Amino acid sequence: AQSVAQPEDQVNVAEGNPLTVKCTYSVSGNPYLFWYVQYPNRGLQFLLKYITGDNLVKGSYGFEAEFNKSQTSFHLKKPSALVSDSALYFCAVSSRYSSASKIIFGSGTRLSIRP
Amino acid sequence: EPEVTQTPSHQVTQMGQEVILRCVPISNHLYFYWYRQILGQKVEFLVSFYNNEISEKSEIFDDQFSVERPDGSNFTLKIRSTKLEDSAMYFCASTEGAGNNQPQHFGDGTRLSIL
Repeated sequence: AQSVAQPEDQVNVAEGNPLTVKCTYSVSGNPYLFWYVQYPNRGLQFLLKYITGDNLVKGSYGFEAEFNKSQTSFHLKKPSALVSDSALYFCAVSSRYSSASKIIFGSGTRLSIRP
Repeated sequence: EPEVTQTPSHQVTQMGQEVILRCVPISNHLYFYWYRQILGQKVEFLVSFYNNEISEKSEIFDDQFSVERPDGSNFTLKIRSTKLEDSAMYFCASTEGAGNNQPQHFGDGTRLSIL
């Protein structure tokens, strides 16, 4: 069965500092991995995805994520945080061997950037 | 940029009543999804829909739930006899193509409150 773990409910970072939001996954076969962001009273917005190839994936708003197969991780990173990055972040996984439509989301991590 | 739109933004319904949540996916998209997010919890997959058929559904999506694409633009979720535990944010999403590697485009959700 597919699963995603986001071990931190909340991450607090000072503006200008690097940030990391952690994600580990469990899936049969090779995974497809995603990060989504949710602002208050809004739906989820796609940030980036890993399908295959280069382990470092770059996405929207300066975010990037590194796929680590041996650690089954896909941590979201940004070199310099902005106050506007404060939001709820969801990691998600699907498997190319499962149904063509099902994505499993993690429990979310609330990112808070202080000025 | 095209968006998925959902109406209403907030629906208040008496327990036991039927409710219909409406979604207009992005116009050239062919695959449609419903998700649920109970307050403070993770985003949960409910159902996926393609070519006027359900592709996959979760264990949450029981006989009380149904989906329909009544015309060329709308995609609806019906809950036949609502329960208190159906109170949640309901998100519609769509993708242009099939496959687990497609990022899903989400609407801003309908907050369903069951009294």
